[in-house]
Amino acid sequence: QSALTQPPSASGSPGQSVTISCTGTSSDVGGYDYVSWYQQHPGKAPKLMIYEVTKRPSGVPDRFSGSKSGNTASLTVSGLQAEDEADYYCSSYAGYNIPYVFGTGTKVTVL
Amino acid sequence: QVQLVQSGAEVKKPGASVKVSCKASGYTFTGYYMHWVRQAPGQGPEWMGWINPNSGDTNYAQKFQGGVTMTRDTSISTAYMELSSLRSDDTAVYYCARDLMFGGFGYGMDVWGQGTTVTVSS
Repeated sequence: QSALTQPPSASGSPGQSVTISCTGTSSDVGGYDYVSWYQQHPGKAPKLMIYEVTKRPSGVPDRFSGSKSGNTASLTVSGLQAEDEADYYCSSYAGYNIPYVFGTGTKVTVL
Repeated sequence: QVQLVQSGAEVKKPGASVKVSCKASGYTFTGYYMHWVRQAPGQGPEWMGWINPNSGDTNYAQKFQGGVTMTRDTSISTAYMELSSLRSDDTAVYYCARDLMFGGFGYGMDVWGQGTTVTVSS
């Protein structure tokens, strides 16, 4: 099972929006509505930001939103803030034996 | 509050084994699958496997089959991950993480331990 493909970097100014893509196959992203997104600051554990493609856990700002079309999922961060600067990883269910396949990661920089 | 607290950093020689613990609190330990995820330096996370704390059933990623053992002690709400025959490329931060869905898995991991750094070096 190969890692999902994400762009290495993305950036935006405070207040702007940034969208990160996550491309897989019909065996993972395209086959299930179980895509999740994680934010990771340096030296910290990942934090769940989006699950089941579009759902936000309690406490996650509504500036974070998710979507999916075919084999590609996306995370949009609206109204960028300095604290949004972090690495972001997508993950998808890929079957009973591979419940989590992760993306290659995207470093978001707030200019 | 809901939290997972892991054991401290380890330094091991190649060929040795390491056992990492993950103590859960603030929720029903037996109700949620526990996953182990590792992250090598500068790399993305990698799912290693899960344990059902209620039944003790496990499912390991193919890459780790034969080298990893996940267990739990329900009396102290603690999960364990043991990795044997360590190599230098096993150097990573190891996390335990709870699946968010009661009784299910694959939905997302909503609670993470702080991570345990395992360094394999001669």
